Amino acid sequence: SQTIHQWPATLVQPVGSPLSLECTVEGTSNPNLYWYRQAAGRGLQLLFYSVGIGQISSEVPQNLSASRPQDRQFILSSKKLLLSDSGFYLCAWSRDSVSTDTQYFGPGTRLTVL
Amino acid sequence: QKEVEQNSGPLSVPEGAIASLNCTYSDRGSQSFFWYRQYSGKSPELIMFIYSNGDKEDGRFTAQLNKASQYVSLLIRDSQPSDSATYLCAVGGKLVFGKGTKLTVNP
Repeated sequence: SQTIHQWPATLVQPVGSPLSLECTVEGTSNPNLYWYRQAAGRGLQLLFYSVGIGQISSEVPQNLSASRPQDRQFILSSKKLLLSDSGFYLCAWSRDSVSTDTQYFGPGTRLTVL
Repeated sequence: QKEVEQNSGPLSVPEGAIASLNCTYSDRGSQSFFWYRQYSGKSPELIMFIYSNGDKEDGRFTAQLNKASQYVSLLIRDSQPSDSATYLCAVGGKLVFGKGTKLTVNP
């Protein structure tokens, strides 16, 4: 069966500090991978998605970047965090087509920027 | 800009009742529709997906899709206190989520 991991589970960072969140998937190969953010009182927002190694699509201009150095690894980064970057960051994967396939979420990372 | 609208609630039902959750979407070309359940502080978990007009049943859950009206709903029969959560409607492959409806089932 497939398993998706995210770490860290929680993170408190000062404004202006860098960020690196990691997501890995087990039990499948060549998954589509996604990063979402859920801010307090707001819906889930798609940030990035990737259909393969080194292939990143950005959905929203922002202070963040994503990379996919290995088939089942997806990393979300920032060089300098803003207060507005606080939120619940979720990684998800799907098996096939980005346009129709079911997505499954990891446990999430709760980020607080102070 | 695709939009997905849900009644934010909260929706409160007694145990054993039917809970009805509704969702409308703006993109008439949408092909896939999903319902996720999210407990407080946790990540969303998939309940059901539906692609075709009509009803799809899975245990106590029934998803209903009407593409002409751009409307999708989730019915929960015999609601249990453990069903208390926020229910997220999502549309499309690059999912667009509604803000969710908070459901409380009272014992």
